[in-house]
Amino acid sequence: LAKTTQPISMDSYEGQEVNITCSHNNIATNDYITWYQQFPSQGPRFIIQGYKTKVTNEVASLFIPADRKSSTLSLPRVSLSDTAVYYCLVGGGSYIPTFGRGTSLIVHP
Amino acid sequence: EAGVTQFPSHSVIEKGQTVTLRCDPISGHDNLYWYRRVMGKEIKFLLHFVKESKQDESGMPNNRFLAERTGGTYSTLKVQPAELEDSGVYFCASSQDRFYEQYFGPGTRLTVT
Repeated sequence: LAKTTQPISMDSYEGQEVNITCSHNNIATNDYITWYQQFPSQGPRFIIQGYKTKVTNEVASLFIPADRKSSTLSLPRVSLSDTAVYYCLVGGGSYIPTFGRGTSLIVHP
Repeated sequence: EAGVTQFPSHSVIEKGQTVTLRCDPISGHDNLYWYRRVMGKEIKFLLHFVKESKQDESGMPNNRFLAERTGGTYSTLKVQPAELEDSGVYFCASSQDRFYEQYFGPGTRLTVT
């Protein structure tokens, strides 16, 4: 299983762009990169998934370099409601996703 | 479309008692997963159903835990007898394709006293 490393916490302010980077040095060829968001007292919520290059949806963008050993989740113009824990998961095929500690993002007014 | 639902939302039981948690996945999702977070630690995988079959139960902690998914619809997770270390939040998730884009329920908070 590919192990992921991401910052424990981050702080930002409303209206700023937030970039959370995840390292996954031993990512396998058939692994995808998926990000989840979790609010207190709720289950994780799927944000975005990608394999390579860049993926964008209405919530976020995911940047994956050519070597795929890292990925960056980009949240444009965050608001207070984006305060949550963000998890980077790597896997695919027969792998069950492994949740690490995640990154606790706090958005300040 | 209804999301994944779990029942109950909270359960407080005494050590040695039995508790059954229920999960209703999104309609049409063949894949159903159980996870738990114990004592503020990381979310850990318990098991995975594909329809009514257990695909992977490598995360089940011991034989006090029994999961079923009769008919390939809802699933139950029974803990018998419950121990103090079983306290935590139990999440259920479902997906159409394995691993990709799992939809999680709100979780059941279990407290064993």
